[in-house]
Amino acid sequence: GESVGLHLPTLSVQEGDNSIINCAYSNSASDYFIWYKQESGKGPQFIIDIRSNMDKRQGQRVTVLLNKTVKHLSLQIAATQPGDSAVYFCAERAGDYKLSFGAGTTVTVRA
Amino acid sequence: DAGVIQSPRHEVTEMGQEVTLRCKPISGHDYLFWYRQTMMRGLELLIYFNNNVPIDDSGMPEDRFSAKMPNASFSTLKIQPSEPRDSAVYFCASSPTVGGGEQFFGPGTRLTVL
Repeated sequence: GESVGLHLPTLSVQEGDNSIINCAYSNSASDYFIWYKQESGKGPQFIIDIRSNMDKRQGQRVTVLLNKTVKHLSLQIAATQPGDSAVYFCAERAGDYKLSFGAGTTVTVRA
Repeated sequence: DAGVIQSPRHEVTEMGQEVTLRCKPISGHDYLFWYRQTMMRGLELLIYFNNNVPIDDSGMPEDRFSAKMPNASFSTLKIQPSEPRDSAVYFCASSPTVGGGEQFFGPGTRLTVL
């Protein structure tokens, strides 16, 4: 399954499939990007981050891709599990310590 | 480490009352952030502190909102007087100076103003 930017805020994916969540950021001066996962009733939880001098970074079952040319960020989740159901936020930072968050994408995993 | 601690977890109050939200950051973290989350506006930064000093309060909606950090282990966000449109989930987050820039979030305080 795949979502596009901030205009498709929901993503439904079959358990075991790969998920791709997209994010379009706004500030060309942003030098740091981060993905958070927020489960119902909880605070955002760090998933993975990437600096602007990189275009790809991998974690456990997750990969973040950064395309600075088109100001696009994506989060790939391999073998999506029911526990991956949550809202996913991308955030950008431009030189200081402030993070600007996107609207979020709700991911629902179908059994 | 216990992580960022916020209290209360839920607060229900009536319009016009004073509300105080509390936060204990992770020990050793130099930065503290207050956010507000609503369905309409998403996650908004209200104010952040570095070494107990307010650095940027441009996100504070109006004079009814104030935040303090009297020491490295405690911060408050106060709303006086509260209004129904202040109903939201308020998050506190902290971050170390050294590190990637990740912010560690608390569980949030759900505020309902009737």
